[in-house]
Amino acid sequence: QVQLQESGPGLVKPSETLSLTCEVSGASISSYYWSWIRQPPGKGLEWIGYIYNSGRANYNPSLKSRVTISVDTSRNQLSLKLSSVTAADTAVYYCARYYDFYNGTSYEYFYYGLDVWGQGTTVIVSS
Amino acid sequence: DIVMTQSPLSLPVTPGEAASISCRSSQSLLHSNGYNYLDWYLQKPGQSPQILIYLGSNRASGVPDRFSGSGSGTDFTLKISRVEAEDVGVYYCVQTLQSLTFGGGTRVEIK
Repeated sequence: QVQLQESGPGLVKPSETLSLTCEVSGASISSYYWSWIRQPPGKGLEWIGYIYNSGRANYNPSLKSRVTISVDTSRNQLSLKLSSVTAADTAVYYCARYYDFYNGTSYEYFYYGLDVWGQGTTVIVSS
Repeated sequence: DIVMTQSPLSLPVTPGEAASISCRSSQSLLHSNGYNYLDWYLQKPGQSPQILIYLGSNRASGVPDRFSGSGSGTDFTLKISRVEAEDVGVYYCVQTLQSLTFGGGTRVEIK
């Protein structure tokens, strides 16, 4: 059973860098896409970005200049860094597996969307 | 960027009755491979979102068959055939054809 667990500081000062990790168990982090999504208080979901092939990343254009997503394959962990934060970055941050896989050998295609989510971690940006 | 628009914003429903949520995209989500890259998620109160439907019409594992997805191109619909109390929450459509974009959400509540 795949499980994801986000962790990181719950309080970050304005202008600083938000850093979160997502521990992945039950699946190899090298084998899938992994995504970060956030949800400001009382608002909807916003995709932040995803990483695949253990290094190739794709980011939301609105956050691209401030976001870095990376993986640590030795620890099977995903990380998120968001720089120059403001109060608008206050949110619950989720990591999720994004299942989109084409087997070039068998020509089989597997897609299940964001099929596994962590419980989320709350980050407040405040001085 | 692809913009996703959901309606209605809020949907009061009576248990046992049917419910329908609409999702429209600013560009076609139909890929050349024949799949529509449109997924549906439900976020129950106090919980993380969970996938209901992927690629427009495929129910995710464990999702009750009262949930169904339909549509193609730019117009999609999520239907709940007989709403149960446990179905309350916010429903989101998401396009995954070009990166990911979430719709604004539809809150389903029991009358």
